[in-house]
Amino acid sequence: QSVLTQPPSVSAAPGQKVTISCSGSSSNIGKYNVFWYQHLPGTAPKLLIYETDKRPSGIPDRFSGSKSGTSGTLDITGVQTGDEAEYYCGTWDIRLSVWLFGGGTKLTVL
Amino acid sequence: EVELVESGGGLVQPGGSLRLSCAASGFTFNEFYMTWVRQAPGKGLEWVANVKEDGSEQYYAVSVRGRFTITRDNAKNSLYLQMNSLRVEDTALYYCQGYNSGQDYWGQGTLVTVSS
Repeated sequence: QSVLTQPPSVSAAPGQKVTISCSGSSSNIGKYNVFWYQHLPGTAPKLLIYETDKRPSGIPDRFSGSKSGTSGTLDITGVQTGDEAEYYCGTWDIRLSVWLFGGGTKLTVL
Repeated sequence: EVELVESGGGLVQPGGSLRLSCAASGFTFNEFYMTWVRQAPGKGLEWVANVKEDGSEQYYAVSVRGRFTITRDNAKNSLYLQMNSLRVEDTALYYCQGYNSGQDYWGQGTLVTVSS
């Protein structure tokens, strides 16, 4: 069981918006930035969002991140079939002195 | 072109040791925080260890603390993970990752299988 809690799965039709949550605590998300990764089977993970709400170059603005208190959120607007993947949040935990990944959320595009 | 190439994985018996290597090219290695991340079969990503740009500080997951050691050689643009006292639950695909201010690079991984 992960310290960062994500829903195991979300689904959306093409073109719709999907939101993936990442719930933590005051020792991790409450204190540090949130990062989001996309992981497709057989490939290396890809950074989607860094420092809570920033996009690396090349990441479309359909992907956005935010944080409120001890929870982070990844929004994907205009979902495409190519977005089907596992999504992970990540952040540092000051109490454990470790980096944490959420358990992952499988996005299915219907 | 940026490349991170892991090597050193393989089949090892419980209690054995392996040393993973990650060769980096195409970016300024000594400016990047380096990390090992693993994914066990059917499981999610698990952070293993990371090391600061100059190698002065290392951090470890509780599950590997005292058994694994992360090091880097900036002169050789290389990252290492010495894994001792391996357990069946260490079986995973091990990724090498480099990060600096939104620049994030990953290798394709090297498979470690711990089994008798």
